[in-house]
Parts: sequence; structure tokens; C-alpha cells
Amino acid sequence: AQSVTQLDSQVPVFEEAPVELRCNYSSSVSVYLFWYVQYPNQGLQLLLKYLSGSTLVKGINGFEAEFNKSQTSFHLRKPSVHISDTAEYFCAVSEPGYSTLTFGKGTMLLVSP
Amino acid sequence: EAGVTQSPTHLIKTRGQQATLRCSPISGHTSVYWYQQALGLGLQFLLWYDEGEERNRGNFPPRFSGRQFPNYSSELNVNALELEDSALYLCASSFSGQGARETQYFGPGTRLLVL
Repeated sequence: AQSVTQLDSQVPVFEEAPVELRCNYSSSVSVYLFWYVQYPNQGLQLLLKYLSGSTLVKGINGFEAEFNKSQTSFHLRKPSVHISDTAEYFCAVSEPGYSTLTFGKGTMLLVSP
Repeated sequence: EAGVTQSPTHLIKTRGQQATLRCSPISGHTSVYWYQQALGLGLQFLLWYDEGEERNRGNFPPRFSGRQFPNYSSELNVNALELEDSALYLCASSFSGQGARETQYFGPGTRLLVL
């Protein structure tokens, strides 16, 4: 069975600072990895996904993530955050043959001036 | 292009009642997924429908059920409501259920409160 661990429940950061949100997964097979963002009182929006190929994936709003197979990680990064990036971020995994997503518990990114 | 829509946005019920939540997928999408986002429990997969059939269900009791209609919209029914059913219920759709590679597009959710 697959599982996802998001190591930080909250990450406070100042505006224009860099940020990294950590995600580790466990699975016995190859996986597909996703990062979603949830703004207050809204549904989830896809930021980026890793299916295969280059391990560095670029997404929307200046976010990127790096797939590290040996460390089973898929950390999300942004070099300079804005107040508007304040939201909850979810890492998710799916396995070939199964269309459902398994989510981590989420990381709340709090950006202050 | 319209996104995934869900209704109602909020629903208040009392213990023992039944709740019905509705979802319309993006036009052209045949797969619909339901997730529960309860406080402290994160997002948990509930049900997956594709081409009118239930393809998979998560670790939830049978009082959680649903269906998918010929136009691919879907309904989630929760019977014999319990207090712990209070949560945000998210619906997502994808182009087809043929691959774990596909992006799931989420609706804004229905917030269910059980009193």
C-alpha cells in the first residue's frame, strides 16, 4: 500500500523568502506524484505533477519540485514567496493501474509581510 | 470551459438523517471521484465512478454510497448520518479512468455539518 508523509503541518515564512515543503512517499512500485494547493474555502488546484522523465518538474505560480527516487521524496520549492501563496499544500501519489490518489495530511504555508 | 461544480455548497443535517451531495464533472470527463476532508484526518478517498460503474471505494462503511448518471454527473449519498461525518466533501473529475497519470480536477466542495 502506498502512503504519503508531509513532514511539516505548518511552515511560516516571510514574503520574498524561499520555501521548501517536504513530501516523502512509500510504495512498492513506481509512482506518479502530484502537488495540489487549496486556498481558503476553495477546492484543490494542481500545481505540478511528476510522471516520468526529468526529475525536476516546473509548475504554475513559480513552484517547482524535484523527484528523488533514492530518498523517496518529492519536495516542493519556490525561490521567493508572496502573500498570495498562503494556502494549504497537499502532496499526493498514485500508482499505475489505480486511478485514485493518496494524499498527505497537508502543509499550511503562512506567508507574512 | 466550466470547471467541476458541486451542490449544495453547505448542508446542515441532524444525526440519523440522510444527505445527498451532487457533482457535475468537466464536460468530456467520464470519471468522477469523491473525497472526504475531515478535520484532522486529511483528504481520504471515498468512491470512484467511471462510465456509470463504481470502480473502487475507500475504507468507508456501506452507508456511504453513490451513483453516476448517463450524463456523467454523480451523486453521493450518506445514510444514517453521524457527527463524525461532518467534513468537506470534494468531487473531482478526470478525462477517463484509464490512467493514474491523469490529472484530477477538483470542485469547490460541499461542507456538511451534522448536528
